[in-house]
Amino acid sequence: HSALTQPASVSGSPGQSITISCTGTSSDVGNYNLVSWYQQDPGRAPKLVIYEDNKRPSGVSNRFSGSKSGNTASLTISGLQTEDDGDYYCCSYAGGNTYVFGSGTKVTVL
Amino acid sequence: EVQLVETGGGLIQPGGSLRLSCAASRFSVSTYYMNWVRQAPGKGLEWVSVTYSGENSNSYYSDSVKGRCTISRDTSTNTLSLRLTSLRPEDTAVYYCARMSPLTDALDVWGQGTLVTVSS
Repeated sequence: HSALTQPASVSGSPGQSITISCTGTSSDVGNYNLVSWYQQDPGRAPKLVIYEDNKRPSGVSNRFSGSKSGNTASLTISGLQTEDDGDYYCCSYAGGNTYVFGSGTKVTVL
Repeated sequence: EVQLVETGGGLIQPGGSLRLSCAASRFSVSTYYMNWVRQAPGKGLEWVSVTYSGENSNSYYSDSVKGRCTISRDTSTNTLSLRLTSLRPEDTAVYYCARMSPLTDALDVWGQGTLVTVSS
């Protein structure tokens, strides 16, 4: 499976909202409600922020929300804060007991 | 605290093999899907392998490592392992072990990662 497609970078000012897209195919993103999103700070391990397309783990800010339409999933960060700087990756179950990550998006808070 | 700690990284010559270990704390590796994910320097995350929980404990691999890779778990020591052979420079990466909930297919606990460098 090829990596899911994400924009290389997205930026916004504090307080604004941004949306990161994650485009796959009908064999992965579009076929299962199993898209998850991860936030990664430089030199650190990734952290889960959304699972099953739109569910938020305990302890994750409600400023993070997920959605999906067809073969494209999206992560929205509202009320952008400086601590939201970092890299974000989507991941989807891809069938055949395999998983595929997105190409990654660098979020910059201006 | 639920925790994963990887060990075993280092400098390995092309054609060689590696064995990474991942020690789990405060949960049993036998009751979760356990994964390896890697990240080449300056690049994105790449899923490598999963071993499922339960009686079957079947294992699956990405195309990039299939045939060269074996994932296993030791319930007596509560550890996950990864063996990768015929190493190539493109296997150079930080290797993370990660716990996956059988209910959500999401990676909810990650180790700190261990760096593997394949170079002569």
